[in-house]
Amino acid sequence: GENVEQHPSTLSVQEGDSAVIKCTYSDSASNYFPWYKQELGKRPQLIIDIRSNVGEKKDQRIAVTLNKTAKHFSLHITETQPEDSAVYFCAASRNQAGTALIFGKGTTLSVSS
Amino acid sequence: DGGITQSPKYLFRKEGQNVTLSCEQNLNHDAMYWYRQDPGQGLRLIYYSQIVNDFQKGDIAEGYSVSREKKESFPLTVTSAQKNPTAFYLCARRNRNQPQHFGDGTRLSIL
Repeated sequence: GENVEQHPSTLSVQEGDSAVIKCTYSDSASNYFPWYKQELGKRPQLIIDIRSNVGEKKDQRIAVTLNKTAKHFSLHITETQPEDSAVYFCAASRNQAGTALIFGKGTTLSVSS
Repeated sequence: DGGITQSPKYLFRKEGQNVTLSCEQNLNHDAMYWYRQDPGQGLRLIYYSQIVNDFQKGDIAEGYSVSREKKESFPLTVTSAQKNPTAFYLCARRNRNQPQHFGDGTRLSIL
């Protein structure tokens, strides 16, 4: 089955810096890669996702890149703000109806002002 | 709540007791999922269901059971066989190949 590795487990940056979180996956048939943000005590919320037919997707300060050959994908946050502090999870699945997402173990991002 | 409701928010289990966590969705989505979250462990898949009256085991199904008698409901029972049930349990829904959305979770503790 699918296995997703996520690095680093913790990341501390200064406000205004960029943050990068990386994930690798094992199943070459996986073709859907979402990223979730979870604030303390709350549910994970989708912030961006990418499908395997594109290599990059941007949404304001957030971008995701995908390298299918190397089987890895990354989340990039630019101009970080204190409210970006949270736990971020990557996930992977085959993009078939009902297929379950398999998650990485998460990255705790701390943005200090 | 993103179209999916979990209850209760907090739940306590005594030794040898089975407890059931509720998950209801009102968006007529086919697929529903249960995940367990422990600190530093990410989200681990317990069970999922793609259609009514059918479900599949995830990576950590031992000690848990589910049912899917109605499309809108996917309850999770934590049985007495689950020796370490203390965790945050998250239910999710997904429509076809659209993004997956989570409920607000149930925090289960042992008395």
